[in-house]
Amino acid sequence: DAGVTQSPTHLIKTRGQQVTLRCSPKSGHDTVSWYQQALGQGPQFIFQYYEEEERQRGNFPDRFSGHQFPNYSSELNVNALLLGDSALYLCASSLRSRSYEQYFGPGTRLTVT
Amino acid sequence: AQSVTQLDSQVPVFEEAPVELRCNYSSSVSVYLFWYVQYPNQGLQLLLKYLSGSTLVKGINGFEAEFNKSQTSFHLRKPSVHISDTAEYFCAVSLNDYKLSFGAGTTVTVRA
Repeated sequence: DAGVTQSPTHLIKTRGQQVTLRCSPKSGHDTVSWYQQALGQGPQFIFQYYEEEERQRGNFPDRFSGHQFPNYSSELNVNALLLGDSALYLCASSLRSRSYEQYFGPGTRLTVT
Repeated sequence: AQSVTQLDSQVPVFEEAPVELRCNYSSSVSVYLFWYVQYPNQGLQLLLKYLSGSTLVKGINGFEAEFNKSQTSFHLRKPSVHISDTAEYFCAVSLNDYKLSFGAGTTVTVRA
């Protein structure tokens, strides 16, 4: 049973560029959440997707956007990258009926230079 | 709003000694509670969860946690740690909504 997978593992971008991160949920899960984990901090909720719609959003600017596909996989897009966007980006999947019970992927380490 | 406070940022402990990681939360309504572990350069792994029922919950790798509603706490314990327990531990709460709110984490370093 495959768990949550994310790609790429690492990414280096320049300030002002755009980036797309990808996530495939655990088998049987239909809901995907994204978190940002800055160095030395706990993860911060970005947003959650279910049925291809954004269900809830954390305190992140509109530069952060996402998408969910019919197969439940998801993308996180960040535009106009800032140095402060450097972080580990974690994807978590769950069942809609138990959306609080989330299983995390290994993350994508984004470095903005 | 809900918030999570992990009272210890770093906990050094000797191998085979017990360890307790403290977590307090603030919420005016019932919450679901979780402990996650993060090994270096990895994602988060669910250790245990409290949804309802018995206040003492057992998780993987010999960890257990006790939910105390009156003190709004959910402390994590292990009676005897191993070198392999060296990791970052995160307490998280959910207000039966969509997101998890995490504490800042506790770094556990197990020494021989």
